[in-house]
Amino acid sequence: KAGVTQTPRYLIKTRGQQVTLSCSPISGHRSVSWYQQTPGQGLQFLFEYFSETQRNKGNFPGRFSGRQFSNSRSEMNVSTLELGDSALYLCASSLLGTHAGGELFFGEGSRLTVL
Amino acid sequence: AQSVTQPDIHITVSEGASLELRCNYSYGATPYLFWYVQSPGQGLQLLLKYFSGDTLVQGIKGFEAEFKRSQSSFNLRKPSVHWSDAAEYFCAVVLYGGSQGNLIFGKGTKLSVKP
Repeated sequence: KAGVTQTPRYLIKTRGQQVTLSCSPISGHRSVSWYQQTPGQGLQFLFEYFSETQRNKGNFPGRFSGRQFSNSRSEMNVSTLELGDSALYLCASSLLGTHAGGELFFGEGSRLTVL
Repeated sequence: AQSVTQPDIHITVSEGASLELRCNYSYGATPYLFWYVQSPGQGLQLLLKYFSGDTLVQGIKGFEAEFKRSQSSFNLRKPSVHWSDAAEYFCAVVLYGGSQGNLIFGKGTKLSVKP
């Protein structure tokens, strides 16, 4: 079956702009998590959605938001971009959700560069 | 605070040599434990996981890990490294039974393999 699909794979934005990233989970998976990966901070949890509800949220400012649709597809949005938002954004889907120890299946990520 | 520590940032081993990557966690209770691998430009792939039971778990690609409660450790091992094992390895934990548990990753250990 198809894996986790993230779009776009690469994008370049300027400071102050906003960006929307998309994630299509594995068919049947209801949990979608988002992570930010940077060389300095490593992998940091952004949020998890399960059946359209935000189940958990990491320690990021309100500029970072997300949502999940009824077909389990998820989007995350970053408004008023800052240089420090440059990162690889990884989406992961899970059948059970992380709270139940469900295995995460990761997409290849969306690499955002903010100039 | 809950945390995951991978003390080695970068390890270089010769092809055919054995490998051990260290992981320590700080949790009051027994968490779910995972090892993921990330090849350059790729997302993360699950190598193995520990929930309960036998403390020595087998994973894909010939990897194994041992959970030691007394040392709060979950070290990853492989008896003979192949050049294709060069990648970055992440230990991760989620608190068992937490209603809002999210996966917390270590900073990662980059593995280089010498021919």
